[in-house]
Amino acid sequence: AQRVTQPEKLLSVFKGAPVELKCNYSYSGSPELFWYVQYSRQRLQLLLRHISRESIKGFTADLNKGETSFHLKKPFAQEEDSAMYYCALRGFGNEKLTFGTGTRLTIIP
Amino acid sequence: NAGVTQTPKFQVLKTGQSMTLQCAQDMNHNSMYWYRQDPGMGLRLIYYSASEGTTDKGEVPNGYNVSRLNKREFSLRLESAAPSQTSVYFCASSERRRLRAVFNYGYTFGSGTRLTVV
Repeated sequence: AQRVTQPEKLLSVFKGAPVELKCNYSYSGSPELFWYVQYSRQRLQLLLRHISRESIKGFTADLNKGETSFHLKKPFAQEEDSAMYYCALRGFGNEKLTFGTGTRLTIIP
Repeated sequence: NAGVTQTPKFQVLKTGQSMTLQCAQDMNHNSMYWYRQDPGMGLRLIYYSASEGTTDKGEVPNGYNVSRLNKREFSLRLESAAPSQTSVYFCASSERRRLRAVFNYGYTFGSGTRLTVV
């Protein structure tokens, strides 16, 4: 079975402060991890995937297999970062995505 | 580029009524999915279709049926709507692509259908 846990339902951060959205996963094999973002009343968009090792909109995420985590980080929050963020996992060779419950990030001006 | 198109965008049903949510993609993707999004629950997979002519149950299939009409279209039907089915429904499609020796499945989501059952 595969599971994704996002322990924080809500997170408020001041503009310019660092942001960290936590994601932990449970999967017996080699997972693929993703972060999706949903701005107000819009469709989900892919933000990051761990295999790409990229930085999008200043966000980064590192897969830590020892801690089974894939936390999303940004050094300096911006107001436009306010959104719902979902961590998602896909098992090796499996097309289905399993989502976490999401974290609503609010950036305080 | 339309991507994934869902209709309707909003719907209000009375308990016991039936309706079909439509989804179409123009990216020639093989796989399509229906998720529901509820506060505090995240996105949960209802049904998915790995290819035309096949469908499989996801995490929360009860009360729903699906039809993969052709490669483009994947519809979700509520035969007898219940208040517990009040939710936002998202359709998605994906395709298997090779990226740096790793198979990657790009997901594209529709804009969602907000359904209220009273």
